[in-house]
Amino acid sequence: DVKVTQSSRYLVKRTGEKVFLECVQDMDHENMFWYRQDPGLGLRLIYFSYDVKMKEKGDIPEGYSVSREKKERFSLILESASTNQTSMYLCASSLGAGGGDEQFFGPGTRLTVL
Amino acid sequence: SQKIEQNSEALNIQEGKTATLTCNYTNYSPAYLQWYRQDPGRGPVFLLLIRENEKEKRKERLKVTFDTTLKQSLFHITASQPADSATYLCALDGTGFQKLVFGTGTRLLVSP
Repeated sequence: DVKVTQSSRYLVKRTGEKVFLECVQDMDHENMFWYRQDPGLGLRLIYFSYDVKMKEKGDIPEGYSVSREKKERFSLILESASTNQTSMYLCASSLGAGGGDEQFFGPGTRLTVL
Repeated sequence: SQKIEQNSEALNIQEGKTATLTCNYTNYSPAYLQWYRQDPGRGPVFLLLIRENEKEKRKERLKVTFDTTLKQSLFHITASQPADSATYLCALDGTGFQKLVFGTGTRLLVSP
């Protein structure tokens, strides 16, 4: 079974702090994704990576950056956390073999920025 | 503008009945559509994929239809059980290259 793990289930940070969210997948998937999920807005794509060191902006990249130095690991960075970044953050991966690949999600990190 | 719409109101049904959830989209031409289940506090789990040239797909008690003329997908759970209670998300390849655009989900509540 594919497993996607995220470094924390719950995180509380202060405004202005630098925040790192880590995601690791164990199935040699090419693609990795970071989403945030908010009530009424659904899942929104922040960043996408289709290969090591390759990244592409999603729909809401402002205030975020990402790093993918190894195939299995995809990090989301909040350079200076703000209260409007309080959200559930979900990481996902997919095989990358072609169109229609299912995405495998991690359990999520609920981030609160005070 | 581009939109994916799922009924935001919860769907309440009795155990044993068929649940039908709707996903409508506007200004997309998806090659496929996927359905996911999400339990509270957890990440979504993939259920089914249906491609644009397929009218219907089945998996156990689940059935998905895809009507590209109506720009709609229907998701059916037959003989529903309380364990089917969850939020169901539809997603399509709206912006290409293996990226998905998700609907906001519909919460299903199956009562005994």
